[in-house]
Amino acid sequence: DAGVIQSPRHEVTEMGQEVTLRCKLISGHNSLFWYRQTMMRGLELLIYFNNNVPIDDSGMPEDRFSAKMPNASFSTLKIQPSEPRDSAVYFCASSLALTGWRTEAFFGQGTRLTVV
Amino acid sequence: AQSVTQLDSQVPVFEEAPVELRCNYSSSVSVYLFWYVQYPNQGLQLLLKYLSGSTLVKGINGFEAEFNKSQTSFHLRKPSVHISDTAEYFCAVSDGNYGGSQGNLIFGKGTKLSVKP
Repeated sequence: DAGVIQSPRHEVTEMGQEVTLRCKLISGHNSLFWYRQTMMRGLELLIYFNNNVPIDDSGMPEDRFSAKMPNASFSTLKIQPSEPRDSAVYFCASSLALTGWRTEAFFGQGTRLTVV
Repeated sequence: AQSVTQLDSQVPVFEEAPVELRCNYSSSVSVYLFWYVQYPNQGLQLLLKYLSGSTLVKGINGFEAEFNKSQTSFHLRKPSVHISDTAEYFCAVSDGNYGGSQGNLIFGKGTKLSVKP
């Protein structure tokens, strides 16, 4: 397996534009996490899915952010409209979670977003 | 709710010296604990994990960690560090319950280990 695949690796966009980040999970995994990393705030959990269902989205900054899992192996994180303060590295991670047991989370290489 | 505290944001150490990176957690249920390493401009890689069993866990690159339930700690140690260990280290906690907000994977703020020659 190629691991968790994120695209694009780098994205530069203008303020006000829509940005879509993509993530392909490891085959067979059923949990998906989106994180945002900045110097100031460190690694923040944005949203967590289990079996395609959003379990906890309390970390999503505001309504401009939305995340979906259209199928079991793929997720998108959309920011509309984007703002300069959204500039960060966005990571997704997947794991296999069963009742009372889980594997570790495997991370993608991240998408470095710059909003100018 | 779970939380993770990494007490040291930066740890400078000389090559071949021992190092301990501290991690304390809070959770109302039994937990799974992880240490990840992040090299510059890369994603996070798992160093080691505690799921159950022996409280002393050995990981890659000579690192080990000890789960101490009474002190709610999971400190990371290495007896002799190398220049190549320079990176940022993250402690993380998760529990085995799913549904609601449990089952999340919560990270500490990270500790930057700087190994000097």
